[in-house]
Amino acid sequence: DADVTQTPRNRITKTGKRIMLECSQTKGHDRMYWYRQDPGLGLRLIYYSFDVKDINKGEISDGYSVSRQAQAKFSLSLESAIPNQTALYFCATSDPEGQGSPDTQYFGPGTRLTVL
Amino acid sequence: LAKTTQPISMDSYEGQEVNITCSHNNIATNDYITWYQQFPSQGPRFIIQGYKTKVTNEVASLFIPADRKSSTLSLPRVSLSDTAVYYCLVFSGGYNKLIFGAGTRLAVHP
Repeated sequence: DADVTQTPRNRITKTGKRIMLECSQTKGHDRMYWYRQDPGLGLRLIYYSFDVKDINKGEISDGYSVSRQAQAKFSLSLESAIPNQTALYFCATSDPEGQGSPDTQYFGPGTRLTVL
Repeated sequence: LAKTTQPISMDSYEGQEVNITCSHNNIATNDYITWYQQFPSQGPRFIIQGYKTKVTNEVASLFIPADRKSSTLSLPRVSLSDTAVYYCLVFSGGYNKLIFGAGTRLAVHP
């Protein structure tokens, strides 16, 4: 979705380096997410944020940290990258649907990260 | 926590109807079933969502039997552009419980 952008789109780095992946959205959504996808597998949730002051761990948060700088921006950091963090990373946004139904999530184009 | 099971892959031909079934035996009373589609090198895209019986939109239909232990995504008259991975998700009310699974890789042939 063009309303959700991720930078960089591709990144190659070395073990031990600090890396930041950025996500911006113009949809005006309060909720933002970071996922990783490994080849042939589904997506796994790393962190999510329901507003600027809210940060929650997902299924696989170890080795990652996040920052919600504003409603529109949500950054993912790898403090000391390791090879098994090589993956495709997706940012997503959503707004509450209400009535107990889950939100529809809108995904960015992804960042392909390679850690050598 | 409801685990989903889908076929790993399916093949079809242009113009055919495709039905992808997802099993979710331990779905809870208030859980919703949601389907996403993912093309290569793109993020997933929402297709359809339902709680019970049948839901239809301009893209697909979702059939959920009374026991809700499975659901079927139906794509009418597929085209080559429907070649993608399709994910079945069961939302258990908390986003830390969101599990996409490996999905079903659909290949549509001419």
